[in-house]
Formats: sequence, C-alpha cells, structure tokens
Amino acid sequence: KQEVTQIPAALSVPEGENLVLNCSFTDSAIYNLQWFRQDPGKGLTSLLLIQSSQREQTSGRLNASLDKSSGRSTLYIAASQPGDSATYLCAVMGDAGNMLTFGGGTRLMVKP
Amino acid sequence: EPEVTQTPSHQVTQMGQEVILRCVPISNHLYFYWYRQILGQKVEFLVSFYNNEISEKSEIFDDQFSVERPDGSNFTLKIRSTKLEDSAMYFCASNSVLYNEQFFGPGTRLTVL
Repeated sequence: KQEVTQIPAALSVPEGENLVLNCSFTDSAIYNLQWFRQDPGKGLTSLLLIQSSQREQTSGRLNASLDKSSGRSTLYIAASQPGDSATYLCAVMGDAGNMLTFGGGTRLMVKP
Repeated sequence: EPEVTQTPSHQVTQMGQEVILRCVPISNHLYFYWYRQILGQKVEFLVSFYNNEISEKSEIFDDQFSVERPDGSNFTLKIRSTKLEDSAMYFCASNSVLYNEQFFGPGTRLTVL
C-alpha cells in the first residue's frame, strides 16, 4: 500500500528566503505526482503535475523535482512571500489506478 | 477559468439522516472523483467515476455511500445514514484525461451531530 510522507510538518521562514519542501513515497510504481496548495478551510489548488517520465516542472517561482526510483519529490519555492503561507500537499497516482494518495502536508508560514 | 463547484459549502445533519453532496465538474471533463479530509488528517480517496459507473473505490466507500451523475452536469455523493465519523470536508475533483492533473472543488464541510 502506498504511503506518502511530507517533511517538515511545519516550517516558518522570513520573507525572501528560498525554501524546499520534501515528499517521499514508498512505492515507486507511480504514474504522476501532483503538488497542491491548501489555504485554511479551503479547497486544493493544483500547483504542478510531474509525470513519472519527467524530472522536474516549473511554474513561476515554483520548481518541483521528481526522483521516482528513490521515491522522492521536492518543491522549491524561490523568494518566498507572505502570500505563500498555506499548507502544501503532495499526492501520487499509482500506475494501477487513478486515485491520488496524499501526504500529510507541510504547513508553511512566511513572515513579513 | 473553468472550475469545479460544490454545494452546499457547509451541511449540518443529525446522525442517521441522509445527505447528498453536489458537485459540478469542469464541463469537458470525463473523470470524476470524491475525496474526504477529516479534520487534522490526510486527504483520502473515496471513489472515481467514469462513463456512468464506478471505476475505483476505497475501503471507506461502503454500502452507505453512493454516487450518481443524474444529468449532464452534476455529480453527487449520497450518504444514506450518516454517522458521527462521517464529519469531514468532502472534495469533488475532475480531469479530462485519465492520469492527467486533477482539479478540485472548494469542498463541502459536513458536520454530523
């Protein structure tokens, strides 16, 4: 059974810092990995999707990498801003089905 | 930009009552999903739906749950006899092509008293 873990569970940084969020998964037989942002009490906003054949994806200040064989992904946020404060979730889709398995999230606080 | 919508945003019900949660997926999407998130816990998959039938379901999705696409736009989740432990945020999602990016709605917060 796929297990997804995110470290750290919480992170507080001053504005302007570059930061890295980590995601690991136990079963490397994945089809893709998706990063989401969740604001308190709100829905999930898709940030980036990486297919299993890709190594990284970029969108603005966000860069996600995937090392499928080692079961790891990172989300790099450049020049963090207070508006980036949210919980970031990673989710993997196994290659045997279309369900997403989620990690527990990293709660990010960017201080002005 | 097209988005998934869900109604109601918050539903309060008594234990044992039936509830129906409604979703309008993005219009040209073909694959539909329900997930739930109990407060403080991970988001969990419930069910996926394609071509008017369930394609995959989790252990959580027992006989108390059902899904339906009653018309060309709505996708519903019914819980027949709610329990206290059904209290959670329920998210609907959709995508246009299997294995592509899933887009999530804002969620319905279900509170069972």
